[in-house]
Amino acid sequence: GIQVEQSPPDLILQEGANSTLRCNFSDSVNNLQWFHQNPWGQLINLFYIPSGTKQNGRLSATTVATERYSLLYISSSQTTDSGVYFCAVLMIKAAGNKLTFGGGTRVLVKP
Amino acid sequence: SAVISQKPSRDICQRGTSLTIQCQVDSQVTMMFWYRQQPGQSLTLIATANQGSEATYESGFVIDKFPISRPNLTFSTLTVSNMSPEDSSIYLCSVGGRGITGELFFGEGSRLTVL
Repeated sequence: GIQVEQSPPDLILQEGANSTLRCNFSDSVNNLQWFHQNPWGQLINLFYIPSGTKQNGRLSATTVATERYSLLYISSSQTTDSGVYFCAVLMIKAAGNKLTFGGGTRVLVKP
Repeated sequence: SAVISQKPSRDICQRGTSLTIQCQVDSQVTMMFWYRQQPGQSLTLIATANQGSEATYESGFVIDKFPISRPNLTFSTLTVSNMSPEDSSIYLCSVGGRGITGELFFGEGSRLTVL
């Protein structure tokens, strides 16, 4: 099956710093999403970005589908940005669709 | 985006018992999925809940352990049967967005602890 790898696995930031999270995937995909899982376990949708670039406030994401990677940028980080960031890719198959998650990047933003 | 409600939000269960988790969506959706997230791990797809037919299970998950119902396009249940401490996880319901490549959304999750 498809492999989804995220890096780095852990990231410690000082409040106000910028950072880039990476997601590599091993096959062509139909959809790619970025999520933030807060300390209570809830998954928050950040971006639906199978290709191109999108921005939402201090967050932006870029997916280069032909090169099979996506990047999530966090600018001017805040303590509320702490949590785990997941990318997930969707492949549509005859047997059914499947959303496969990467291992996540655990982010801690220190005040 | 769809509003997805899961119940219970958390529970503490005894070994050997079973627990049913409910997932209610505020609109009709074609695709519903159940995921498991073990402590400190990523999310793993358990099965696709098919309306009016048996669920489609992923490798490593079986119907006897995780029976799923989906009686209509807005509701599904996942039962975790004969629980052991290894079943302590967050279980999440997910629904598909518009079209087959549409965005997917998740419920708030059900955090189970098995003693």
